[in-house]
Amino acid sequence: SQQGEEDPQALSIQEGENATMNCSYKTSINNLQWYRQNSGRGLVHLILIRSNEREKHSGRLRVTLDTSKKSSSLLITASRAADTASYFCATGSTDSWGKLQFGAGTQVVVTP
Amino acid sequence: DAGVTQSPTHLIKTRGQQVTLRCSPKSGHDTVSWYQQALGQGPQFIFQYYEEEERQRGNFPDRFSGHQFPNYSSELNVNALLLGDSALYLCASSSTTGGGPHNQPQHFGDGTRLSIL
Repeated sequence: SQQGEEDPQALSIQEGENATMNCSYKTSINNLQWYRQNSGRGLVHLILIRSNEREKHSGRLRVTLDTSKKSSSLLITASRAADTASYFCATGSTDSWGKLQFGAGTQVVVTP
Repeated sequence: DAGVTQSPTHLIKTRGQQVTLRCSPKSGHDTVSWYQQALGQGPQFIFQYYEEEERQRGNFPDRFSGHQFPNYSSELNVNALLLGDSALYLCASSSTTGGGPHNQPQHFGDGTRLSIL
C-alpha cells in the first residue's frame, strides 16, 4: 500500500513557470524525501527534510514540511524542459529503519 | 565513483519460471534495498539487506527472496513467476553511518525491466 499521495497526478507547464506539487502521508515520520525519475530510469534523490525542519532549499527546489497536517510540498522555480520527469515523495521512519514508502508520483511535463 | 549498478537491464520470462536479478551498491554503502515498480505507480518496498541478513520486508510473498554477499552486492530471486510480477525492479543502496539508513538518501540503480509472458 502507498504511504503518500501526491497531488496533482499530472502537471503541464511552460518553461520559466514554477511547478508545485504536494504530498500527504498517513503515519508519523522521521524524514520525508523527494525523488525524480526520468522515463525508464532509476530514481534520483533531490532533497531530504527531517521531521524537525519546516523548509529546505536546494538550488531551484524548495521543500516544505508540515507534520501537523502530515503534508509536504515541492516547488520547482523557473522550470526547464529538462525538469520533465515524475516526482515522488517518500517517507522514512526510525522503526522502519531504511524502508521508504513512496507515493504514486506527479508527472510533470515542461514544454519549451 | 561508480553508482548503483544492476543487471540485466531487461529480461523476458514465462509464467512459472524463476529469475535472479543482481545489484552492486554504490561504493562505501553497506545496505541494499529492493523495490518493485509497476507501470505508472510508485516503487513498492520488497526487502532490505544489511550485514548479509534481511532486516526489513514489505508485503511480498515468500516467492521473493534475496541474498547479500560479503562485498555488499545483492541478488533478488523470484520463483514461480506470475504475469503480475512484470515490473521495473529497482535496487537502492545507502549507508548505516550518519545515524542509520532511515536518515540517509538512497541511491538507486536504473533497474531491471522484467516482462512475464
